[in-house]
Amino acid sequence: DIQMTQSPSSLSASVGDRVTITCQASQDISNYLNWYQQKPGKAPKLLIYDASNLETGVPSRFSGSGSGTDFTFTISSLQPEDIATYYCQQYDNLPSFTFGPGTKVDIK
Amino acid sequence: QVQLVQSGSELKKPGASVKVSCKASGYTFTSYAMNWVRQAPGQGLEWMGWINTNTGNPTYAQGFTGRFVFSLDTSVSTAYLQISSLKAEDTAVYYCARDPSGSWYSPLGFDPWGQGTLVTVSS
Repeated sequence: DIQMTQSPSSLSASVGDRVTITCQASQDISNYLNWYQQKPGKAPKLLIYDASNLETGVPSRFSGSGSGTDFTFTISSLQPEDIATYYCQQYDNLPSFTFGPGTKVDIK
Repeated sequence: QVQLVQSGSELKKPGASVKVSCKASGYTFTSYAMNWVRQAPGQGLEWMGWINTNTGNPTYAQGFTGRFVFSLDTSVSTAYLQISSLKAEDTAVYYCARDPSGSWYSPLGFDPWGQGTLVTVSS
C-alpha cells in the first residue's frame, strides 16, 4: 500500500504570510494527488486535483505542485478564513485511496 | 447544485447496529461512484470503500470488511452504510462523498461530501 506523509503536522502563521505544506508518497504516484481543506466541524472540501489543478470557485491564492513522490501545497497570502486542516490524498494505487495525516493551519 | 445530505447523529450501545443514509440530488445518481470515509474523534480521514451506484457492487477497504455494508436505493437516490456489532472504536463521523470523475475505472477522489453523521457507541 502507498503511504502518505505530510509536514509539518501543524503551523501558525500571520495573516498575509505565505504558507507551504509538503506531502510525500511512499512510491511514485505521478500526479494522482488531491488536496482537501477541512474547516473545524465541517466536511472536507476538494481544493486541488491532479496535483496542480484548482477546483472551480477556489481562490487563486491556493496552489499545488509536484509529481512523482513529492508535492507541495501553497497558500500565497494566508487569510483568516483559511484556518483549517489540509489533507493530501493519492489515487494512483486503485482501488485504494490514501490520505495524508493532515496539516493544521492556525493564525499566529 | 450537487448535494449530499446525510441522516442525523446516532447514539448506539455496543453490539447494536446502525444505518446511515446519504441522499443525493442535483445529478444522475447512478452515474457516479459513492464513497464512504470515516473520521474518528480528533483524527484524520480514512477511506472505507466505495459502491458502484450503477451495479450496486461494493468494494471495501482493508479493515472495513465483515461488519460494514454499503447499499443503495436508487429509486430515492440514496446510499446507505450499515455497521453491525458496534464497538466503542466505531465512534466517529462518517461521510459519504461522490467521486467526481464519472468513471468506474479511473476514480479521482471525493467531491462533494455529505455533511457527516456522528455515530457514538457507548453503554
